[in-house]
Amino acid sequence: EVQLVESGGDLVQPGGSLRLSCVASGFSFSNYWMTWVRQAPGKGLEWVANIKYDESEIFYVDSVKGRFTISRDNRKNSVYLQMNSLRAEDTGLYYCASGRGFLVDSWGQGTLVTVSS
Amino acid sequence: DIVMTQSPDSLAVSLGERATINCKSSQSVLYSSNNKNYLAWYQQKPGQPPKLLISWASTRGSGVPDRFSGSGSGTDFTLTISSLQAEDVAVYYCQHYYNSPLTFGGGTKVEIK
Repeated sequence: EVQLVESGGDLVQPGGSLRLSCVASGFSFSNYWMTWVRQAPGKGLEWVANIKYDESEIFYVDSVKGRFTISRDNRKNSVYLQMNSLRAEDTGLYYCASGRGFLVDSWGQGTLVTVSS
Repeated sequence: DIVMTQSPDSLAVSLGERATINCKSSQSVLYSSNNKNYLAWYQQKPGQPPKLLISWASTRGSGVPDRFSGSGSGTDFTLTISSLQAEDVAVYYCQHYYNSPLTFGGGTKVEIK
């Protein structure tokens, strides 16, 4: 069974930084794309970033380019999201997700990021 | 960027009746090289992460009941729940995965009438 467990969410001040982590199990992690999707409170889903299984392709939504960095460690079955220069509009539940190519077929439970003074 | 527009924003359907959700993309998500539509539908129940219902516009995900079906091609897509059950109360999202950035529709909230 696929399991994705996120951690690292917290309350942080505007301009601050956070590093989210996601540990995967139950599938061949090194063969899958990994994705971060966020959801602001009471709002819809927004794709944030994804990374190919060999890190050769990485994509970001425009609103986080230059501030967020996605990375992965296939030895640890983990994917990360380094978030710098955080803004209030980055507040939300951040989901780690996996899939073949751009198609996401499994999701974690999410970790909550709150950006507020 | 491809904009995904869902309609309606919400709908209330009686148990056992049909529910239909529409999704329109601002440009075609049909790849001519393989004749596949890069369109997915997700179901999100309250307090839960999304769940993949349909991929490639019409392929049901693992374990998804056959009352859920997807149709359409190019820019116009439909998710149909043929006989609404109480456990289908949720928000449904379409998403394209044709290129980056991946984008979602705004969601359709399905309730029981």
